[in-house]
Amino acid sequence: AQSVAQPEDQVNVAEGNPLTVKCTYSVSGNPYLFWYVQYPNRGLQFLLKYITGDNLVKGSYGFEAEFNKSQTSFHLKKPSALVSDSALYFCAVRDALYNFNKFYFGSGTKLNVKP
Amino acid sequence: NAGVTQTPKFQVLKTGQSMTLQCAQDMNHEYMSWYRQDPGMGLRLIHYSVGAGITDQGEVPNGYNVSRSTTEDFPLRLLSAAPSQTSVYFCASTIRAPQGRETQYFGPGTRLLVL
Repeated sequence: AQSVAQPEDQVNVAEGNPLTVKCTYSVSGNPYLFWYVQYPNRGLQFLLKYITGDNLVKGSYGFEAEFNKSQTSFHLKKPSALVSDSALYFCAVRDALYNFNKFYFGSGTKLNVKP
Repeated sequence: NAGVTQTPKFQVLKTGQSMTLQCAQDMNHEYMSWYRQDPGMGLRLIHYSVGAGITDQGEVPNGYNVSRSTTEDFPLRLLSAAPSQTSVYFCASTIRAPQGRETQYFGPGTRLLVL
């Protein structure tokens, strides 16, 4: 079965510091991995995705994510956090082999960036 | 393009009432999905469609019906609303792309309260 785990409900960082939001996954085949961001009272916005190739994926707003197959992880990172990065972040996975329109989302991590 | 649109933005229902949540996209996307978002549970897939006339169940389909008579529209029906269906509902669409390079685009959501 496909699943995604985001072990932290909330992450607090100071502005200017690096941030990491953790995600681990479980799929039966090769994973397609995604990060989305949700601002209050808004829908989800796509940040980045890993399909194949380079393990370090760069996305929108200066975010990047590192795919680690051995640890089945896809952590979201940013070298220098901004207050405006404060939002809810979701990791998602889609099985490359089956159910190509079935995305499985993690429970979300609230990122708080303090001035 | 308007992207993915959802109506209504907010709805209050009484237990046992029925209603339809509307979703439309003008991007000619083949795939469309409905999710519900509940605190601490992330997004859970209700139903999805891979094209006009084709629908399938997601993780939490009970209590919901869908149909896909056109590429553009994917309404979600609650036949007899229950308080457990109080949630925020998101519609998403995806274009089919090679090697799984699909990206989901989300609507702004519908907040549903069932009393």
